[in-house]
Parts: sequence; C-alpha cells; structure tokens
Amino acid sequence: KQEVTQIPAALSVPEGENLVLNCSFTDSAIYNLQWFRQDPGKGLTSLLLIQSSQREQTSGRLNASLDKSSGRSTLYIAASQPGDSATYLCAAPRADSWGKLQFGAGTQVVVTP
Amino acid sequence: DVKVTQSSRYLVKRTGEKVFLECVQDMDHENMFWYRQDPGLGLRLIYFSYDVKMKEKGDIPEGYSVSREKKERFSLILESASTNQTSMYLCASSADTQYFGPGTRLTVL
Repeated sequence: KQEVTQIPAALSVPEGENLVLNCSFTDSAIYNLQWFRQDPGKGLTSLLLIQSSQREQTSGRLNASLDKSSGRSTLYIAASQPGDSATYLCAAPRADSWGKLQFGAGTQVVVTP
Repeated sequence: DVKVTQSSRYLVKRTGEKVFLECVQDMDHENMFWYRQDPGLGLRLIYFSYDVKMKEKGDIPEGYSVSREKKERFSLILESASTNQTSMYLCASSADTQYFGPGTRLTVL
C-alpha cells in the first residue's frame, strides 16, 4: 500500500528565503508524482506533475525533483513571497488502481513580510 | 483553461435529508473522483469513476453513492445525511494531472 509522508508539517520563513518541501513515498513503482497547493477553504491547485522518466520539473519559481530509488520528491520555491503562504501537498499513484492518488498530509507554509 | 465546477460552495442540510453534490468538468476526462477533507484526516477518497456508468469504491464509501450518466458530470449522493458527514467535499477529474473543483463545504445539522 502506498504511503506518502510530508515533513515538516508546518514551516515559517521570512520573505525572500528559498523554501524546501519534502515528500517521501513507500512504493517506488510510480509513473508520476504531483504537487498541489491549497489555500484555506479552497480546492487544490495543481502545481507540477513529474513523470517517472524525469528527474526534475520547473515552472517559474517552482522546481520539483523526483528520486524514485530513494522514494523522495522535493519541491523548491525560490525567493518566497507572502502570496506563497498556503498548504502544499504531494500525491503519488496508488498501487491498487491506476488513476487513484495517495495524498500526503501537507506542509503548511507561512511566508512573513 | 481547465475547469472543474461544483454546484455549491456552501450547503446546510438537516439530518436524514437526501443530498446531491454535482461536479462538472469540461476537459473530456474519463476519470473523476470524489474526496472529503477533514482536519487531521487529510484527503480521503470516497468514490472513483473511470468511465460513464463505471464506478469504484474508494476508502470511505459508506453512506454515499454516486452517479455518472454523462462523461462530464459526476454526482455524489448522501442517501440520508448524518452529522458525521459534515465536511469539505472535493471533486476532481484527470487524464494525467488531477484537477480539482473549488470544494463544497457541507454542514449537516
């Protein structure tokens, strides 16, 4: 059974610092991994999808890496801004059914001005 | 721009009522999902549909049913709402990336 863990559960940084968010998964036979952002009371917004054949995926200030052999993915957010304050979730495919995802509990990020 | 819409942002119902939550996607995705999200419990899958009229139970299907008569629409039904079904309900659709709707905050009194 796929288990996804995100550490830390919460993070507070001053504006301008780089953010590093960690995600680990137990079943490395994955074909992709996704990162999402969630603002309070809202749905999830897809940030990045990394295919298993890729090691990195970039979008603007966001960069996500994937290391299947170690069961880890990292989301980097460069030069953080107060608008980056949100909860960030990673999700890996479940082994029991193609298409289903197993979500981590998320890392709550606060960027202080 | 991709779009997943949910019929209500906020809903208040009474115990025992039948509740319908509607989700519509405009991306011609085959896969659609219903989740609920609760503090401390994270996102939990209620039901999954991989095609019209095809469905699969998720992790917590008890007390819920679903309907997928058209590809773009996936409905979640609470046959007899109970207070422990008070939650945030999230719909998603996917081909590869999962796209989520804005969520419905359901309160059952």
